[in-house]
Amino acid sequence: GQQVMQIPQYQHVQEGEDFTTYCNSSTTLSNIQWYKQRPGGHPVFLIQLVKSGEVKKQKRLTFQFGEAKKNSSLHITATQTTDVGTYFCAGPNAGNNRKLIWGLGTSLAVNP
Amino acid sequence: SQTIHQWPATLVQPVGSPLSLECTVEGTSNPNLYWYRQAAGRGLQLLFYSVGIGQISSEVPQNLSASRPQDRQFILSSKKLLLSDSGFYLCAVFRDRGPRGYTFGSGTRLTVV
Repeated sequence: GQQVMQIPQYQHVQEGEDFTTYCNSSTTLSNIQWYKQRPGGHPVFLIQLVKSGEVKKQKRLTFQFGEAKKNSSLHITATQTTDVGTYFCAGPNAGNNRKLIWGLGTSLAVNP
Repeated sequence: SQTIHQWPATLVQPVGSPLSLECTVEGTSNPNLYWYRQAAGRGLQLLFYSVGIGQISSEVPQNLSASRPQDRQFILSSKKLLLSDSGFYLCAVFRDRGPRGYTFGSGTRLTVV
């Protein structure tokens, strides 16, 4: 069935280092969404990418959607302790675009 | 804007006891609503979703059920809890305006003992 894979599962960085998480879908996606979940919290929507090759920035976060619309990445420049959490990507289910197929997330730890 | 309310925040229940978790949404009508479960340190598992009153789709066979008695109310229930029902339960609404995506409630952390 349709799958979304995310790597790495965990990442430990020193504050100030960069961080990237990658998301790969088994199928072409109409869009891809990214969410952040702080420890003990609930997932919070960050962004949606729709166009092939799209790049969007939110301050130190850069999101990319691949040309084939099957992969995506989230890059954080100069991580801060406030970036700690789990980052999830998700894409619409091919049979029902209001259901999402989720990656398992990348947990980011930042050493101050 | 849409807001979603979910309670309680934490719950400790004995095995075999019933469960009722409630989720309500404001700022929208006829929303698509979802119940997710997240085991500790794991990803999100879709349990149920609903596109309207009385319309429930179950994604995973299990010990739980869902109901939607009103347009903006979504309830997750169990008649008899199992240890394996422990987890973080999240209600979500699909945003129908602006960037498509989910708004999640703050979640209920359920521990079955």
